Amino acid sequence: DAKTTQPNSMESNEEEPVHLPCNHSTISGTDYIHWYRQLPSQGPEYVIHGLTSNVNNRMASLAIAEDRKSSTLILHRATLRDAAVYYCILIRGYNTDKLIFGTGTRLQVFP
Amino acid sequence: GAGVSQTPSNKVTEKGKYVELRCDPISGHTALYWYRQSLGQGPEFLIYFQGTGAADDSGLPNDRFFAVRPEGSVSTLKIQRTERGDSAVYLCASSIRGLPDTQYFGPGTRLTVL
Repeated sequence: DAKTTQPNSMESNEEEPVHLPCNHSTISGTDYIHWYRQLPSQGPEYVIHGLTSNVNNRMASLAIAEDRKSSTLILHRATLRDAAVYYCILIRGYNTDKLIFGTGTRLQVFP
Repeated sequence: GAGVSQTPSNKVTEKGKYVELRCDPISGHTALYWYRQSLGQGPEFLIYFQGTGAADDSGLPNDRFFAVRPEGSVSTLKIQRTERGDSAVYLCASSIRGLPDTQYFGPGTRLTVL
C-alpha cells in the first residue's frame, strides 16, 4: 500500500482557514485519497475523499495536486470543534479491505 | 439513525483473564471491522468481516485474539489470557459493503489490563 506523510501537528486560530497537507508520492492511478478525523475520546469519522479533481462538501474541501503526489485538506473557517487528529489515507478502489492509519496531524484550534 | 455502538465503554480486567467486547454495527451494513488504538497512535487493523465470515484476519496479533459475527450483524471480539500489552482502545466500524465505502466508527471500548 502507498504511504502518506503528514506533519505531526498544526495550530490555527478560530475562524481562520486551515490547510492540512498530505504527501503521497508513491500513489497509484487507482488510489483514492480519503481523509478521516478523530475528535478527542471518539472513534474516527469520515471527512472527504477524492481521486483526481478537487472536492467540496459541508465539512471541508480537498485540493489534489495535478500529479496527485500531494493533497491538502482545507477547513475554511476553523472552529474549536475542529480540534482533532486528521488522517490522510489511500484506498485502492475495491482492492483494499482495511484502512491503514498513520499517526496523522494533530490540529489545535485556539479561541 | 443509530450509529455503531460498542459495549462496554470501559473494561478493567486482571492479567490472565478472558474478556469479550461487543460491537453493534449500523443496520444493513454487511462489512464490519475491528481496530485497536494505543495511546498516541493511529488505529491498527485487526479483522474484517463480510457478512458472517472473516474476510481478513491478518491483523490479529496472536491466537489469544478471536472474533465472531455469527448472524452477520453483531460481532464479539474475544481476548483470552489477557496481558498488560493488550491495554488499548478497541474500535469497531461498519460500512455498507466494504471499502471504498465510508466506514462508520463506534466510540470504542477502553480495555485496561492490570
